[in-house]
Amino acid sequence: GAGVSQSPSNKVTEKGKDVELRCDPISGHTALYWYRQSLGQGLEFLIYFQGNSAPDKSGLPSDRFSAERTGGSVSTLTIQRTQQEDSAVYLCASSLEGGVGSPLHFGNGTRLTVT
Amino acid sequence: AQKVTQAQTEISVVEKEDVTLDCVYETRDTTYYLFWYKQPPSGELVFLIRRNSFDEQNEISGRYSWNFQKSTSSFNFTITASQVVDSAVYFCALWTNSGYSTLTFGKGTMLLVSP
Repeated sequence: GAGVSQSPSNKVTEKGKDVELRCDPISGHTALYWYRQSLGQGLEFLIYFQGNSAPDKSGLPSDRFSAERTGGSVSTLTIQRTQQEDSAVYLCASSLEGGVGSPLHFGNGTRLTVT
Repeated sequence: AQKVTQAQTEISVVEKEDVTLDCVYETRDTTYYLFWYKQPPSGELVFLIRRNSFDEQNEISGRYSWNFQKSTSSFNFTITASQVVDSAVYFCALWTNSGYSTLTFGKGTMLLVSP
């Protein structure tokens, strides 16, 4: 079946503008995750959804970042008033169930460039 | 707190050489899972293996093998007879049962296999 799909694949925006990143998880996967990968860095956890609720938002770097998930499926990560330090690849992953070490399946990511 | 250390930032080998990627983890939990992921130049993270903390048996899958040693908190990954297609960034990750709902990743090891 289809894997995790993210859109857009690339996004260039001006500093101060808002951006929305979209993630379509694998069908039937109840858990959804957002990570951020900056150049030369590992993967930084942002937020975790189980169904439509987000029991763990601990990784969101500031209140400019928010995310939602609707219908237990599609998720949107919104960054308001983007800053240059927000430039990174934003990765979405899903797993069959959360909280029990289920393998995460990742999308190809959205490369965000803030100019 | 959980931590994953991949001390090797970059490794270069010539095709057909064997190569071992090191991973050392830290956790106070007795129940945890360890993972390896591969990120080829295309960018998508590919799940390779999951190992739980109660299973210290080494595993072999084709040219890949994993050595899990709780005594040294290590989960090393060996590629035998490396090939150019093995060139990628490899990430080690840890999931624990301490209320954290996501994976903690190491910073990755970039493997370059030249012909």
